[in-house]
Amino acid sequence: ILNVEQSPQSLHVQEGDSTNFTCSFPSSNFYALHWYRWETAKSPEALFVMTLNGDEKKKGRISATLNTKEGYSYLYIKGSQPEDSATYLCASRNAGNMLTFGGGTRLMVKP
Amino acid sequence: EPEVTQTPSHQVTQMGQEVILRCVPISNHLYFYWYRQILGQKVEFLVSFYNNEISEKSEIFDDQFSVERPDGSNFTLKIRSTKLEDSAMYFCASSELTSGVYEQYFGPGTRLTVT
Repeated sequence: ILNVEQSPQSLHVQEGDSTNFTCSFPSSNFYALHWYRWETAKSPEALFVMTLNGDEKKKGRISATLNTKEGYSYLYIKGSQPEDSATYLCASRNAGNMLTFGGGTRLMVKP
Repeated sequence: EPEVTQTPSHQVTQMGQEVILRCVPISNHLYFYWYRQILGQKVEFLVSFYNNEISEKSEIFDDQFSVERPDGSNFTLKIRSTKLEDSAMYFCASSELTSGVYEQYFGPGTRLTVT
């Protein structure tokens, strides 16, 4: 059973601040790492899926990196905006289809 | 943009009753999933489904649970006799593929409350 952990659990930042959070996962039997953005009462939105050590993905002001050897991924948000407020979930996938989720990081951006 | 939809958004049921949660996956997707999140806990995998059969399931998915694709568009999760501990947010997801780099796209969830 995979154990995926995210830190911090919650984060309050001011508009314009850049921020980052961490997802750690077992590096054995690793296949892919997924990031989702989840606003209350909406569907979790797929942000990135990464598979290779050293992968970096970017979407607008949000980017992510992957280190499969040490078992962690970072999500970065540059110049946070109030609309970035959401819970950010990571999930690790082994060779099967099952995603194992972390507990999420709840980001609140104050105007 | 195509999306996964789920109905109802909230279901209240009494302990021991059967419930059916409904999902309409993205139309060209072939692989379907159910996950759940008990309040305050992590999102947990329940089951994946392909070609009209279960391809993978977790320990949570016991004999009380079943899944079905009754027609070309719906994908359902049935809980035969609900327990208090089945109260959770249930998410449906779908994907085009299951190998290589692919996304699982999630619906907004059905909140199930068992009283």
